[in-house]
Amino acid sequence: AQKITQTQPGMFVQEKEAVTLDCTYDTSDPSYGLFWYKQPSSGEMIFLIYQGSYDQQNATEGRYSLNFQKARKSANLVISASQLGDSAMYFCAMREGSQAGTALIFGKGTTLSVSS
Amino acid sequence: EAGVAQSPRYKIIEKRQSVAFWCNPISGHATLYWYQQILGQGPKLLIQFQNNGVVDDSQLPKDRFSAERLKGVDSTLKIQPAKLEDSAVYLCASTQGQDWGTQYFGPGTRLTVL
Repeated sequence: AQKITQTQPGMFVQEKEAVTLDCTYDTSDPSYGLFWYKQPSSGEMIFLIYQGSYDQQNATEGRYSLNFQKARKSANLVISASQLGDSAMYFCAMREGSQAGTALIFGKGTTLSVSS
Repeated sequence: EAGVAQSPRYKIIEKRQSVAFWCNPISGHATLYWYQQILGQGPKLLIQFQNNGVVDDSQLPKDRFSAERLKGVDSTLKIQPAKLEDSAVYLCASTQGQDWGTQYFGPGTRLTVL
């Protein structure tokens, strides 16, 4: 079974609109971390936001927020006020366990296209 | 603070040739990862180092791939001999172990095997 599922291969949004990128995960470990990364066409993976499994509040970083629904095992990324520069591939990833130095498991990604 | 450095950025080789990639992590980061990202997929871990020791190489095709991190700082990943299916982007990442273990990635090396 896939550990990280991103069901939207592509999403299209207009500038200044909000967009939600879906992510569901599967783990039996009570301690885990969820990450979102952005990968522009240049190829570098850029860290956006993190949510720990024990965090009570949803994480926010500027225009990014993570809608964490633990019971549903979902960790959707919300981008408010989209900008043209947000056009990129977005990956959801999970680290299982409490140790920080554990490798990430990535989903297949969602391509976001922002138009003017 | 300098980010993760990788070289070369691009490499084109013929099958059965050998190739090596280099990575220099962020200063002070003890954990280093090599990921393989095939076109249209998310990155997949190849090998993880903690200082100069291997933590996880369970997904490394050891008959053709090798990696080392001799002094616990920079690392090299080698493929010998390369196959067509090795065409991918090879990403290096590092983490300090703090900051929730966020992994910081380099720009990657795009390998094309002809």
